Amino acid sequence: EDKVVQSPLSLVVHEGDTVTLNCSYEVTNFRSLLWYKQEKKAPTFLFMLTSSGIEKKSGRLSSILDKKELFSILNITATQTGDSAIYLCAVVTNAGKSTFGDGTTLTVKP
Amino acid sequence: DGGITQSPKYLFRKEGQNVTLSCEQNLNHDAMYWYRQDPGQGLRLIYYSQIVNDFQKGDIAEGYSVSREKKESFPLTVTSAQKNPTAFYLCASSTLPGQGAPAGRYEQYFGPGTRLTVT
Repeated sequence: EDKVVQSPLSLVVHEGDTVTLNCSYEVTNFRSLLWYKQEKKAPTFLFMLTSSGIEKKSGRLSSILDKKELFSILNITATQTGDSAIYLCAVVTNAGKSTFGDGTTLTVKP
Repeated sequence: DGGITQSPKYLFRKEGQNVTLSCEQNLNHDAMYWYRQDPGQGLRLIYYSQIVNDFQKGDIAEGYSVSREKKESFPLTVTSAQKNPTAFYLCASSTLPGQGAPAGRYEQYFGPGTRLTVT
């Protein structure tokens, strides 16, 4: 059975802190790993990773995948209150089946 | 405007009734997905489809049914057999690798969701 585990489940930080969110997975026939941000509505896409070692960056957010150790991290630097959300990690197989983790709830306090 | 729509936004039903949730996309995506989200949890896959007239069960398909008669549409029926149907339902669509998407850009786009309450 495919499995995606995210840690920590929740995190409270102050503005300006740097956070690292973790996602480990066990799937057969891996195709891609995706990160989403969800703020009380539909998830919005952040990154898609398919190859090990290539860092994806978008402003203060970055992510990297390790296909050998089967995990990915999402980094957020200089956090802002607007970063408060649930961050979801998902893995998609070559057959098109997607499995999501339970998410990490990030709260950024002023 | 291209996008993925779900209707209605809120839906209330009595126990024992079947209910159908709508999902339509005009993004020309081949693949479509249905997820269920419960409070404090991630998304769980109900059904997915990569081509018209074909679909596969996800992790929690029991008590649900789908159809994919058109590329643009993937309705989900929550049947009376679903033991705990109250949840937030999300539909998504994506292109597939090798089908014209820019390299690496076959992520899933989500609709706004339908919040179903069954009493």
